[in-house]
Amino acid sequence: NAGVTQTPKFRILKIGQSMTLQCTQDMNHNYMYWYRQDPGMGLKLIYYSVGAGITDKGEVPNGYNVSRSTTEDFPLRLELAAPSQTSVYFCASSYSAGAEETQYFGPGTRLLVL
Amino acid sequence: GQSLEQPSEVTAVEGAIVQINCTYQTSGFYGLSWYQQHDGGAPTFLSYNALDGLEETGRFSSFLSRSDSYGYLLLQELQMKDSASYFCAVREDKIIFGKGTRLHILP
Repeated sequence: NAGVTQTPKFRILKIGQSMTLQCTQDMNHNYMYWYRQDPGMGLKLIYYSVGAGITDKGEVPNGYNVSRSTTEDFPLRLELAAPSQTSVYFCASSYSAGAEETQYFGPGTRLLVL
Repeated sequence: GQSLEQPSEVTAVEGAIVQINCTYQTSGFYGLSWYQQHDGGAPTFLSYNALDGLEETGRFSSFLSRSDSYGYLLLQELQMKDSASYFCAVREDKIIFGKGTRLHILP
């Protein structure tokens, strides 16, 4: 049981380039989330999904896109990378949104945009 | 709007007890969670309170008062490995995290 896996672990992008951050979970969780964490700051929700085919915006969705074609995968797409998107990106999943909800986090992707 | 307030830093001595407070303002509320994050690591779940009162899990306890929109995380018998950032999070239709409290432990 691998939990939540993310690839790549680290990436350097040039301004204007695009990339996809991959996230996969093997716990059959319905809910999946993408967060970004800037140095010394808390987590900010980018997008989330309550199930395959359903996604919704979080606090800071601008500059990002997501899709959820399967229960397991929730990729995050950056179309035109900007220096403001330099951050650590965490993917997380949870079984439900009700009581006792526990979010399980992946190890993170460190992105540097130059 | 939504907001969570927690101290940015707390310092305590090894073996002592420390309390990290969290106050929140939300339009809806299901519960309050606490997460721990070590430097360079991912957040890990510590506790969840949906009802008023104290929840105890080993050296860690978490408290919630819904009427006061307030909760805290209590860490007892502090160990050096407890040096980390601690985040409170509230669930409405989605989870909102606080900015985190950096816990420094002195030997």
